[in-house]
Amino acid sequence: EVQLVESGGDLVKPGGSLRLSCATSGFTLRDVWMFWVRQAPGKGLEWVGHLKNHFDGETTDYAAPVEGRFTISRNDSTNTLYLQMTSLKTEDTAVYYCCRDVPLTFGALHIWGPGTMVTVSS
Amino acid sequence: EVVLTQSPGTLSLSPGERATLSCRASQSVSSSFLAWYQQKPGQAPRLLIYGASRRVTGVPDRFSGSGSGTDFTLTISRLEPEDFAVYYCQQCGRSSSTFGQGTKVEIK
Repeated sequence: EVQLVESGGDLVKPGGSLRLSCATSGFTLRDVWMFWVRQAPGKGLEWVGHLKNHFDGETTDYAAPVEGRFTISRNDSTNTLYLQMTSLKTEDTAVYYCCRDVPLTFGALHIWGPGTMVTVSS
Repeated sequence: EVVLTQSPGTLSLSPGERATLSCRASQSVSSSFLAWYQQKPGQAPRLLIYGASRRVTGVPDRFSGSGSGTDFTLTISRLEPEDFAVYYCQQCGRSSSTFGQGTKVEIK
């Protein structure tokens, strides 16, 4: 069974850093595109970024608000996806979801984790 | 960046009625890369439709998607009690993706 479980959410001060993890199972991580999506309290969904599979060069892309501050990576030996967040701002407060897409759709997100909450506040 | 505008913001309907949700893009979007999601309170979103009209396995056939270019529609033919939720459209791309702001379907 395909499963995603995020962890690492916490309360952090503005300017701080945090690393989120997404434990994956039921598939080969390097073979798929993986995504991070966030949702601020009471707000809509926001694409954060993605990591392409090894067929597509394993490159990353990010949304403008997080470009240069967030980094997506993975560890194939532990089947874990990461989101490293630095220079955090109050507007980064959100539930962060790890997602996997339907193959060849560039991001129709079929599998979602339950999410992990990140709160940025002094 | 492609901006998706969903309308209406809120749709107040009764069970059994038909719901028509609109998603308009600021520039032409390939139908292959337009998706719809349902989200209920406290839950992660659920993919309903991808490729503008392809229903995910297990999604009831009362849900259908259509459209092309800049105008896309999600139709729920007869609302069931479990369909009252927030719906999002999304355009996917090789280097970025965006979501619409959502349409809330509420019980009238």
